[in-house]
Amino acid sequence: NAGVMQNPRHLVRRRGQEARLRCSPMKGHSHVYWYRQLPEEGLKFMVYLQKENIIDESGMPKERFSAEFPKEGPSILRIQQVVRGDSAAYFCASSLDDQPQHFGDGTRLSIL
Amino acid sequence: GENVEQHPSTLSVQEGDSAVIKCTYSDSASNYFPWYKQELGKRPQLIIDIRSNVGEKKDQRIAVTLNKTAKHFSLHITETQPEDSAVYFCAASITGGGNKLTFGTGTQLKVEL
Repeated sequence: NAGVMQNPRHLVRRRGQEARLRCSPMKGHSHVYWYRQLPEEGLKFMVYLQKENIIDESGMPKERFSAEFPKEGPSILRIQQVVRGDSAAYFCASSLDDQPQHFGDGTRLSIL
Repeated sequence: GENVEQHPSTLSVQEGDSAVIKCTYSDSASNYFPWYKQELGKRPQLIIDIRSNVGEKKDQRIAVTLNKTAKHFSLHITETQPEDSAVYFCAASITGGGNKLTFGTGTQLKVEL
């Protein structure tokens, strides 16, 4: 029974490049959440998706960031034209309806 | 929106002692309060949670209490062990209303031998 799977675990990008982060939820989970964690800080909500729908994107920056959860395949968090301030750990969580959220191991994004 | 405050930011205890971490929330509509443990470089792991229809919940050495009137909840760890050393995060959400978790800023717990 695999948990939430995120890849890559580490991603290095140069300023101006694009970053794509992937998340496969736990089997049977239809709710996916993305959170960002800056060094030595708490987790900040970014976006909540269900299959093919964005339910709540109130935590997403208005520009350069987008997320999707297609009918088939993993959820993708996409950051265009990355800047140094995007360096962080990005965690994905999944859940069943109103059940507890379970987190993946995260993607640590470093911007050179 | 919801705001969660967490205290203390660091906590050092002797092995075998108890540790208490406190959180307050601002949105009276919040009805679900999980606690996560995060070791360095690892994923946040759910250790216990409580819903607003319950005042207290216990799981072995870990307990959580909730005071809805005062809008605060606490994590209690008894008989602490070195492996309890980690960062602990409280969170709050409104189930059925989007479910997004609003986290506290974390407590670095160090259990000393």
